[in-house]
Amino acid sequence: DIVMTQSPESLAVSLGERATINCKSSQSILYSSYNKNYLAWYQQKSGQPPKLLIYWASTRESGVPVRFSGSGSGTDFTLTINSLQAEDVAVYFCHQYYRTPYTFGQGTKLEIK
Amino acid sequence: EVQLVQSATELKKPGESLKISCKGSGYSFLSHWIAWVRQMPGKGLEWMGFIYPYDSDARYSPSFQGLLTISVDKSISTAYLEWSSLKASDSGMYYCARVGALTGDSQFYIDVWGTGTTVTVSS
Repeated sequence: DIVMTQSPESLAVSLGERATINCKSSQSILYSSYNKNYLAWYQQKSGQPPKLLIYWASTRESGVPVRFSGSGSGTDFTLTINSLQAEDVAVYFCHQYYRTPYTFGQGTKLEIK
Repeated sequence: EVQLVQSATELKKPGESLKISCKGSGYSFLSHWIAWVRQMPGKGLEWMGFIYPYDSDARYSPSFQGLLTISVDKSISTAYLEWSSLKASDSGMYYCARVGALTGDSQFYIDVWGTGTTVTVSS
């Protein structure tokens, strides 16, 4: 199985500041023929199902605020939230869909400092 | 609006059987894989397997193979997750989720999540 490791496990950031969450895969999830990284990011607020934020590592889902961005390639990926808002408090998961069984990172809990 | 509406909370005893459901609406149900994902209390997400409603092709994570069954009823746009004999360790939240590719490509991201079904197994 491809293991997805997120860091940090939890993060406290002041309103208006930047939050950075990292995700590392145990093997490359770049499909070189298509030049696509098979990685998505999800946001899960308390008591709710996850919500898609980013796919193909850097493509923002329709309706997601522009302060959310994804980057990285191969095995190392980053979710960046610029100008943190109170409504961004949530747990964030990365997810690889390169090879079954598809797997998720363990989650990063984001709080307001 | 694309929706996946799941069945209600279940409270069962060890050894009992259970079948939970996930009804899709607002899109072509036959054209998208439906995945099942488990979330244990306070924990992360575990991909259990998925099914292609068009031909009922079901694939399982090795961690869940043989422990449960994923099925679909095309006539009512509903996918199912079924256990024949529950254990306490099956307690958790179960989400169905739509794989986004319209072409039936399984190697694609999840774009829509179901409402979730809480399963509690306790004597």
